[in-house]
This record gives sequence, C-alpha cells and structure tokens, in this order.
Amino acid sequence: DGGITQSPKYLFRKEGQNVTLSCEQNLNHDAMYWYRQDPGQGLRLIYYSQIVNDFQKGDIAEGYSVSREKKESFPLTVTSAQKNPTAFYLCASGRGAALRETQYFGPGTRLLVL
Amino acid sequence: AQTVTQSQPEMSVQEAETVTLSCTYDTSESNYYLFWYKQPPSRQMILVIRQEAYKQQNATENRFSVNFQKAAKSFSLKISDSQLGDTAMYFCAFMKDNNNDMRFGAGTRLTVKP
Repeated sequence: DGGITQSPKYLFRKEGQNVTLSCEQNLNHDAMYWYRQDPGQGLRLIYYSQIVNDFQKGDIAEGYSVSREKKESFPLTVTSAQKNPTAFYLCASGRGAALRETQYFGPGTRLLVL
Repeated sequence: AQTVTQSQPEMSVQEAETVTLSCTYDTSESNYYLFWYKQPPSRQMILVIRQEAYKQQNATENRFSVNFQKAAKSFSLKISDSQLGDTAMYFCAFMKDNNNDMRFGAGTRLTVKP
C-alpha cells in the first residue's frame, strides 16, 4: 500500500542526547515536511525539502537537523540544542514541485524526555 | 505573514445533526489554498476538504462542505448528518500559491454525541 510511515511511534530522549525520527514515503512525492505539534496548538513547520539533497528551514528549525539523501526518506534529528523537545512530530509529503498539492501525513512520533 | 484563526476551541453536536466550524485567515495574497484536516484520537492528520481561492464555487466532499467567503477571509466547514466517527480535532490550514509553507490554526475539538 502507498503511504507514509514514521517510526518509532514513541521515542524517549535523555538529556544531552541526539535522537532521530524516521519518515519514509512510497508515494513518489518530491516534497517532504516535518511539523511539530504541541498541546492546544496547530502544527508548526520545522523543515521541508522540495527535492533530494535540498532542504529549507521552517519557523522553528533551531535545535533540529534533517537530511534528504533519498527521495523516499526524510529523517529528522532532534539535537541536544533543542531544549524543549517533548512534542508530537508529524511528517508529511506532497508532489511539491507544483507547490499547490495537498500534503499527506504520516501517523506521527511522540517524543518524550526522560 | 499569514495567520489562521479558529475561534472555537471546542464544539459538540448530536449525532445526525449539522455543525459548522469557523476559520478566518489573514493574507495579502490573491491566490492561495485552504484546507480542513481532521485529527482523530489516533493523531493521524487526514485531509477532509480543499479549496482553491480562485474558485468561486464552494468545495464539497460527501457530508463535508465549505463556505468560502474570500472578501471576508472566512473558510468555515459544515458537517452534515454528523457521525460518531467525526469526533476529532479539526484544523484549518492556509498555503500560498508559490510557497510550501502551510499555516495551521490552533484547532477545534469536535465531539459528536450519540
């Protein structure tokens, strides 16, 4: 089945530790996105990528890093510089080049700090 | 910068009744795209309906329809014949014509009561 997968479903981070959230899509979409969702708030854009080997910062990129080595994959690393990482993280993809296409979302990863 | 406002943090409706969720946005753009996403307890974001600003006709998807008032910058969602499965958070989102950046409102929690 075509879709977007995110893993793990839950992730625990210790102080000072970097952790990586996985996002994979088999929809042949060019564009991929990472959002953060906090309680009572909408989604905020962390990073997005329109094409392989290219990505752009969103509103809240500080403390995060990404890579886009393959079309299908867009992993997000939450670094130790992110002081308040506890949140729900959603990955999305879209056809992108037209920049008018709907974004389709994965099931999300909840990150908790120990 | 574009902002999206959902003024109703919570709403409830009886099963089989009709409910309308409000959304307003602020932009100086002439062409853009508007979306309603549903986030059930599973937390996965699901596209409900999409509207292109250049289209005067209101979008409709089965029991879901919108009332798009471009001059008033209003984009409300009407759910007819509400079902228990419609219980979810609903997010209104805005995207410019030439940009990947999708802006979300804070959401409205809808509860459908039996």
